[in-house]
Amino acid sequence: DGGITQSPKYLFRKEGQNVTLSCEQNLNHDAMYWYRQDPGQGLRLIYYSQIVNDFQKGDIAEGYSVSREKKESFPLTVTSAQKNPTAFYLCASSNSDRGRVRNQPQHFGDGTRLSIL
Amino acid sequence: GEDVEQSLFLSVREGDSSVINCTYTDSSSTYLYWYKQEPGAGLQLLTYIFSNMDMKQDQRLTVLLNKKDKHLSLRIADTQTGDSAIYFCAESNEGSQGNLIFGKGTKLSVKP
Repeated sequence: DGGITQSPKYLFRKEGQNVTLSCEQNLNHDAMYWYRQDPGQGLRLIYYSQIVNDFQKGDIAEGYSVSREKKESFPLTVTSAQKNPTAFYLCASSNSDRGRVRNQPQHFGDGTRLSIL
Repeated sequence: GEDVEQSLFLSVREGDSSVINCTYTDSSSTYLYWYKQEPGAGLQLLTYIFSNMDMKQDQRLTVLLNKKDKHLSLRIADTQTGDSAIYFCAESNEGSQGNLIFGKGTKLSVKP
């Protein structure tokens, strides 16, 4: 089945440690996104990528890094510089219409819950 | 800046209709979306409407758009306990490069 797979479902981070969250999609979508969700909050955009080998900072990129070496993969690294990493992380992807991703609906994975040890 | 507002909670009885409301500030919004999130899960796209439409119906779901008042609503007919979830309104516009602006979500509780 086509979809977006996030792994792991739960992740624990120690102080000073970097951790990487995986996001893979087999929908052949051009664009991919990472969001952070805190309790009682909407989604806040961390990073997005509209095409392979290119990505842009979202609203809360500090303390995070990404790469987009393959169309189907968009891993997110939560670095030790992110002082409050406990949250639910959601990955999404969207199609493009003749190279434009604007106004294409985004489809989401099932999320990764990150906690601090 | 752009903003999307929703009431945080709604409680209804099983079998009644639910109406979840959303207001947005960006007059250049082109698409408006409704997503559903069940506990511990990702967001499921329910429906979306283009800004030149007033209404869209899909089975038990009806979306109404009042572009003049920048008001969007989602009506769920014959609400079931399985409809209990958080519902997010989101908008995108020509300038947002495909990025969505989300409201904080409305938690719908359906009582038997």
